[in-house]
Amino acid sequence: DTGVSQDPRHKITKRGQNVTFRCDPISEHNRLYWYRQTLGQGPEFLTYFQNEAQLEKSRLLSDRFSAERPKGSFSTLEIQRTEQGDSAMYLCASSHSYEQYFGPGTRLTVT
Amino acid sequence: KQEVTQIPAALSVPEGENLVLNCSFTDSAIYNLQWFRQDPGKGLTSLLLIQSSQREQTSGRLNASLDKSSGRSTLYIAASQPGDSATYLCAIHGSSNTGKLIFGQGTTLQVKP
Repeated sequence: DTGVSQDPRHKITKRGQNVTFRCDPISEHNRLYWYRQTLGQGPEFLTYFQNEAQLEKSRLLSDRFSAERPKGSFSTLEIQRTEQGDSAMYLCASSHSYEQYFGPGTRLTVT
Repeated sequence: KQEVTQIPAALSVPEGENLVLNCSFTDSAIYNLQWFRQDPGKGLTSLLLIQSSQREQTSGRLNASLDKSSGRSTLYIAASQPGDSATYLCAIHGSSNTGKLIFGQGTTLQVKP
């Protein structure tokens, strides 16, 4: 068990570009979550998958954001037409019951 | 709407001191409460999970308590060490359907040698 992994760990992009992040959960975990964390704040929920079904999306997830979890394994989070306000740490977590295990995060900087 | 508050925002203590971190929440109808540690620029490490039917959980030098009726949880750290320096976050699992967590802003702890 290698834990939750995320790729890339850091991403610098120019405003207006599209970016995609990947999360590989712990293999037997059917639940997968995306959170966003800005400096000095706690993480905020973005979206939740149970297996391949996206069951909840936060209102923080604007139309420029889309997430997928094909085949209920890894997940991707895409941000289109990035804005400076999208700069944050994007965290992925997985679980099979109540306890959530987090990955190292992808830090996005939009210049 | 569930809100989670952690006080203080920052804490500095000398090595060896016992300390308590506080977490309060507005809606007592919670399912679980989870404490995490976060090192600068890193992801979150789960420390303790307290289910709604439990009053406390212990792991090594850490003890977390939960009082749903008063909307409070505490994380007790015994004999603090410089390696305990990090941000500590509490999070509420307020829904059994999705399990999404609602986080406090964290308490940044510095343990001075």
